[in-house]
Amino acid sequence: AQSVTQLGSHVSVSEGALVLLRCNYSSSVPPYLFWYVQYPNQGLQLLLKYTTGATLVKGINGFEAEFKKSETSFHLTKPSAHMSDAAEYFCAVSVAANDYKLSFGAGTTVTVRA
Amino acid sequence: NAGVTQTPKFQVLKTGQSMTLQCAQDMNHEYMSWYRQDPGMGLRLIHYSVGAGITDQGEVPNGYNVSRSTTEDFPLRLLSAAPSQTSVYFCASSHQTGAAYGYTFGSGTRLTVV
Repeated sequence: AQSVTQLGSHVSVSEGALVLLRCNYSSSVPPYLFWYVQYPNQGLQLLLKYTTGATLVKGINGFEAEFKKSETSFHLTKPSAHMSDAAEYFCAVSVAANDYKLSFGAGTTVTVRA
Repeated sequence: NAGVTQTPKFQVLKTGQSMTLQCAQDMNHEYMSWYRQDPGMGLRLIHYSVGAGITDQGEVPNGYNVSRSTTEDFPLRLLSAAPSQTSVYFCASSHQTGAAYGYTFGSGTRLTVV
């Protein structure tokens, strides 16, 4: 069975500063990895995903994440935070194309200070 | 396209009452699922379906029932509501190769059981 750990339930950054959200996973097989964002009172929106191929994945809104197999990590970064990045972020893992179930981390809430 | 539509958006139930949360998608997705979101716990899978007539249990199925008579609809039934079922419920769908393709989420139903 797979599991996901997000380090830090809350992250506060200044506008223009680096955003770094940490995600570690455990899986007995090569995983499919996802980051989702949830704005207040809305559903989840896919930011980016890793399936196979290039380990550095670029997503929407300037976010990117790097799959590091040796560290079992999939950390999310954005070089310069914007006020509109304030939201909750979820890391998720699935083990294969024929396993549709997503396992989610507990989430990290990002606040952006002016 | 409407995507994934959930109704109602808000609901208050008394303990012991039953109700059905509706989920409909217009993208001809094979896979549909229900998650509940609780603070500090991320999203947990309740039930899922890989096609019409096929359903299976997820991580937290107790107290919930589902059926899938059409590709478009995947209702979630609470048989006898309990305060522990107070949560935000999300429906998600994807193409058959869901893990690689990503999931489309509805905007959620906020349920309070008193």
